[in-house]
Amino acid sequence: AQSVTQPDIHITVSEGASLELRCNYSYGATPYLFWYVQSPGQGLQLLLKYFSGDTLVQGIKGFEAEFKRSQSSFNLRKPSVHWSDAAEYFCAVGAGTASKLTFGTGTRLQVTL
Amino acid sequence: EAGVAQSPRYKIIEKRQSVAFWCNPISGHATLYWYQQILGQGPKLLIQFQNNGVVDDSQLPKDRFSAERLKGVDSTLKIQPAKLEDSAVYLCASSLGTSGAGEQYFGPGTRLTVT
Repeated sequence: AQSVTQPDIHITVSEGASLELRCNYSYGATPYLFWYVQSPGQGLQLLLKYFSGDTLVQGIKGFEAEFKRSQSSFNLRKPSVHWSDAAEYFCAVGAGTASKLTFGTGTRLQVTL
Repeated sequence: EAGVAQSPRYKIIEKRQSVAFWCNPISGHATLYWYQQILGQGPKLLIQFQNNGVVDDSQLPKDRFSAERLKGVDSTLKIQPAKLEDSAVYLCASSLGTSGAGEQYFGPGTRLTVT
């Protein structure tokens, strides 16, 4: 069975600083990997996804993520954080033809001005 | 296009009472999901429908939870009787197909508090 680990529960960064959120997954084959963002009182919005091909994936709102098979990681990055990026971020893994997603426990991002 | 709709947005009930949540997916989306998100955790899949058939309900506590998707469109999730540990946000999502690569679109969720 697949699993996802997000080791950072809470991260605080200053506006304008760079950001990296960590995600490690466990899955026997090539996974489908996703990053979702959840603002308070809102549903989850897809930031980006990786299926195959180029290991550096670009998403919405200036986010990118890099798939590293050797490290079983799919870390999310942004070069310059905006105050509106404050939210909870979830990494998820999907498996093959079944569309069931397994989510990590999330990382709460706080942005200081 | 309209997103995934859910109602109610908030519900407070006492333990042992029953409650029902409603979800209307994006038009044309064949697959519908119900997730449970307990505070401090990521969403956990409860049940997945493709059209009006169940694809995966392995994590649904069937002694108290039930779900249906009549006519392959909207869906209801019911809890009867509720327990304190059922306090959570219940998220509905839909996707066009069933591939693991398909994007799931989430509704705003229903926050349930069981007292």
